[in-house]
Amino acid sequence: DAKTTQPPSMDCAEGRAANLPCNHSTISGNEYVYWYRQIHSQGPQYIIHGLKNNETNEMASLIITEDRKSSTLILPHATLRDTAVYYCIVEGGSNYQLIWGAGTKLIIKP
Amino acid sequence: DAGVIQSPRHEVTEMGQEVTLRCKLISGHNSLFWYRQTMMRGLELLIYFNNNVPIDDSGMPEDRFSAKMPNASFSTLKIQPSEPRDSAVYFCASIQGPTDTQYFGPGTRLTVL
Repeated sequence: DAKTTQPPSMDCAEGRAANLPCNHSTISGNEYVYWYRQIHSQGPQYIIHGLKNNETNEMASLIITEDRKSSTLILPHATLRDTAVYYCIVEGGSNYQLIWGAGTKLIIKP
Repeated sequence: DAGVIQSPRHEVTEMGQEVTLRCKLISGHNSLFWYRQTMMRGLELLIYFNNNVPIDDSGMPEDRFSAKMPNASFSTLKIQPSEPRDSAVYFCASIQGPTDTQYFGPGTRLTVL
């Protein structure tokens, strides 16, 4: 079973920030939070990951709560090409045995 | 960088036939994952290789499935004999090291009639 809980779907207006929540209340101290996305008919694509601190890269920001039981992926200025299924995964530092849940289907609307 | 390369991209075959899926890793990567994705079961890990050695094949559905990594840059996933329930998209992903992120190929869409 997936170790994370995500809403099945979300909408966001183009140009706005998309905030995707993820609950991982059973996360242990050495487990990272990873985010991948899968655009229709393509392989999953890595977005960002973090352990405790907030992280930012050219694609997104990751905000992890202090207790690490939840996190939020932020796409600062969503475009139509960001429409995809977004997966939140917790993994024990070896990047092995990623357990993929159902993810959140994010639809960006013009 | 060409990324992970998979072939064929689409395969349609009849029940009972042998199917071979191929994957070429990103240059310099030394570990490979084979996944299967269906609407019903989502993305499932089938097998993981590290430095050409199978580390965990517990996700391989049954003896009809076999995977090899004959060299550091190439892997095959074989299904013999194939069944309609094997219809899915099969992805491979490679990583450079155990803490690296996974880079996925474009997938092979398999249809078994």
